[in-house]
Amino acid sequence: GDSVTQMEGPVTLSEEAFLTINCTYTATGYPSLFWYVQYPGEGLQLLLKATKADDKGSNKGFEATYRKETTSFHLEKGSVQVSDSAVYFCALSAGGSYIPTFGRGTSLIVHP
Amino acid sequence: EAGVTQFPSHSVIEKGQTVTLRCDPISGHDNLYWYRRVMGKEIKFLLHFVKESKQDESGMPNNRFLAERTGGTYSTLKVQPAELEDSGVYFCASSREGINSPLHFGNGTRLTVT
Repeated sequence: GDSVTQMEGPVTLSEEAFLTINCTYTATGYPSLFWYVQYPGEGLQLLLKATKADDKGSNKGFEATYRKETTSFHLEKGSVQVSDSAVYFCALSAGGSYIPTFGRGTSLIVHP
Repeated sequence: EAGVTQFPSHSVIEKGQTVTLRCDPISGHDNLYWYRRVMGKEIKFLLHFVKESKQDESGMPNNRFLAERTGGTYSTLKVQPAELEDSGVYFCASSREGINSPLHFGNGTRLTVT
């Protein structure tokens, strides 16, 4: 079945450091790919998405490129802030039902 | 627009008791999903409603879980009787039509079964 694999956390960085959170997927057909973010005490919210190969999703300084050849959708940000501390979930939707499948989440902690 | 709301935010019950979780989706969103996250693990799909109909309940763990969506509006998820392994955070999400419509999540209900 469909699945998403994310790097283990927590990821701990200093402010202004470069961020990469790896995400790879297994899916039938051509899935849409998403990154969701969960800030402390809140629900998940969509951060960015890409719906076809080579698309780049971007939002709030975060970027991820849909790489079909490596089945990856890594999340990057050039300079993180303390306010980026959150849990990040990679997800895909594919197949007949298009019900999103989520990874286990990666906790990001950014220190001043 | 008002977001997805879930109630209660926390619930602590004893093994064998019953708990009912409620979700109010965003008005006009026909799709409603229930997910569960057990500590540190992936967010697992439980079931999907389209309006008042159960479209897919393949993720429901067993018959101790019962979900309803009255008149296609709010939804409830009842666990009866609760077991220790039911502990986790239960998320509700809603979305409009369309395969690429993003999910809008509630803040979740943290259920602890002791």
